[in-house]
Amino acid sequence: ELKVEQNPLFLSMQEGKNYTIYCNYSTTSDRLYWYRQDPGKSLESLFVLLSNGAVKQEGRLMASLDTKARLSTLHITAAVHDLSATYFCAVDLLIQGAQKLVFGQGTRLTINP
Amino acid sequence: NAGVTQTPKFQVLKTGQSMTLQCAQDMNHEYMSWYRQDPGMGLRLIHYSVGAGITDQGEVPNGYNVSRSTTEDFPLRLLSAAPSQTSVYFCASSYSGLAIHEQYFGPGTRLTVT
Repeated sequence: ELKVEQNPLFLSMQEGKNYTIYCNYSTTSDRLYWYRQDPGKSLESLFVLLSNGAVKQEGRLMASLDTKARLSTLHITAAVHDLSATYFCAVDLLIQGAQKLVFGQGTRLTINP
Repeated sequence: NAGVTQTPKFQVLKTGQSMTLQCAQDMNHEYMSWYRQDPGMGLRLIHYSVGAGITDQGEVPNGYNVSRSTTEDFPLRLLSAAPSQTSVYFCASSYSGLAIHEQYFGPGTRLTVT
């Protein structure tokens, strides 16, 4: 059974600081996704990581994937208030052509001025 | 494109009532799925479909039925609502096949069962 664990689950940080959210998973997979969710809203896709060593960057966010360690990281550089949200990682199990996403618990990020 | 749409946005049911949550997409995606989101548990897959006429169970299928008669629509039926089904429900869609694509999520339906 695939388990996906995020760390930390809650993170409060100051603007301008750097921090990293970790996503560990228990079964081999080469595909991992990061999503953002604002309160009361739906999920917005941030990054799609499809191979070992993949690194993607968008603004102050950078995601990476190490399939051997079964670990993905989401790094926040010089945080700004607008990045306050809940961040989910999701690992993809492809079974007979069907994509099944297993989500982590989410990391609620609060960025204070 | 409207993307993925869901109706209703909010719903209150009494225990034992049945209802259907509607989901539609206009992107010609083959793959559609239903998730429920509960506090501290992320999203959990209820049912999914890889194309019209083909559905399968996800992680938490009990108490829910689905059907897929068209590519566009993927309704979720609650047969006899229970308080444990109080949750936020998201429908998602993506291209299918061996090329993996990100899933697009609908706005969600907040369901309360009393």
